Amino acid sequence: NAGVTQTPKFRVLKTGQSMTLLCAQDMNHEYMYWYRQDPGMGLRLIHYSVGEGTTAKGEVPDGYNVSRLKKQNFLLGLESAAPSQTSVYFCASSYGIAGGATQYFGPGTRLTVL
Amino acid sequence: KNEVEQSPQNLTAQEGEFITINCSYSVGISALHWLQQHPGGGIVSLFMLSSGKKKHGRLIATINIQEKHSSLHITASHPRDSAVYICAVPVYGGSQGNLIFGKGTKLSVKP
Repeated sequence: NAGVTQTPKFRVLKTGQSMTLLCAQDMNHEYMYWYRQDPGMGLRLIHYSVGEGTTAKGEVPDGYNVSRLKKQNFLLGLESAAPSQTSVYFCASSYGIAGGATQYFGPGTRLTVL
Repeated sequence: KNEVEQSPQNLTAQEGEFITINCSYSVGISALHWLQQHPGGGIVSLFMLSSGKKKHGRLIATINIQEKHSSLHITASHPRDSAVYICAVPVYGGSQGNLIFGKGTKLSVKP
């Protein structure tokens, strides 16, 4: 099993460009999450999904959109990238809701917005 | 809403030393998570515990629900234990809802 994979691993964007980050999991998990990690701060939840076709906002959703058309995939979109979105993005999945189930993380995507 | 504090922020130890990392939170919880972030960036879950103590190899996690405090111990530390250790708890305390993460403790073990 590959676990949780993320594409791409690195990306450099110019301000105003758009992109989509792809997260895929092969563990048949219902719950999937997108986090960002910035220096000196803990992981912060951007958006999450509790099942195929569902999405919900997390702590820092502004400037991002998500979609979960298939159970195994969770996409994070940046419509108009800003330098404040320079960060490392992690996807995670779990079989149950976050508080009561182990989360499995992808390797991360390092995004730089110039 | 829960708040999480970890201490220390940075920790340097000599190989073989006993390590303790602390985590405090403000709202009662159903479970607490400890995670490890490798120098290369990957994050893995170490423990999820709701009471008492759990042990995995040289790692031991304890939790005191009344004190709202958890500790992660590493016995006979080794340079390969060098990583950032992160504590996480449910945002609103119960098992429902998402996690809020501490800022992490960066551990460096010197040979």
